[in-house]
Amino acid sequence: GESVGLHLPTLSVQEGDNSIINCAYSNSASDYFIWYKQESGKGPQFIIDIRSNMDKRQGQRVTVLLNKTVKHLSLQIAATQPGDSAVYFCAESRGGKLIFGQGTELSVKP
Amino acid sequence: DADVTQTPRNRITKTGKRIMLECSQTKGHDRMYWYRQDPGLGLRLIYYSFDVKDINKGEISDGYSVSRQAQAKFSLSLESAIPNQTALYFCATSDSGWLRTDTQYFGPGTRLTVL
Repeated sequence: GESVGLHLPTLSVQEGDNSIINCAYSNSASDYFIWYKQESGKGPQFIIDIRSNMDKRQGQRVTVLLNKTVKHLSLQIAATQPGDSAVYFCAESRGGKLIFGQGTELSVKP
Repeated sequence: DADVTQTPRNRITKTGKRIMLECSQTKGHDRMYWYRQDPGLGLRLIYYSFDVKDINKGEISDGYSVSRQAQAKFSLSLESAIPNQTALYFCATSDSGWLRTDTQYFGPGTRLTVL
């Protein structure tokens, strides 16, 4: 069936390094994708989004890349900090609803 | 997000009890959603509402009901709680206006335990 999934459930990086979190999607008709960050005990927080007519979008220390050919989405975090430790979810928009992946837990080592 | 509030934040109840979780928003958004999150899993949609007179079932609506009392308020009820409904519950909102992006903004969550 159609789904949004993540390649890795956990990712551990050294403070200061760059992090890359990946996401695969299967619905080629999806036109909007979002990355969320969820810290322990909190609700998901919007990080960055991208429309299907774009390949790349940059925010503050974050970049989202969209490869429609292979249906792949990635979130890059530059100079990862301890405060970046959280679970990251990608989500795919379909008809006003979001379909979420299972999430990747990012752990930042000091 | 302080613009989306949920009450209560924590609730412990017994099997068979009826409980209500409430969500309020000051973002002025017309669309509201209820999700459930289980440990180590993503969010699953229970119900959603695109405006006050619109209610739609999500992927896991069995055992739940909702009420959209006003544009700013959307409540979730468990008619007869059972232990496998123990989970984190999140409310979210989005805007269908001309700047619509389908981005949803989440409340802080309600941790529900059914004994």
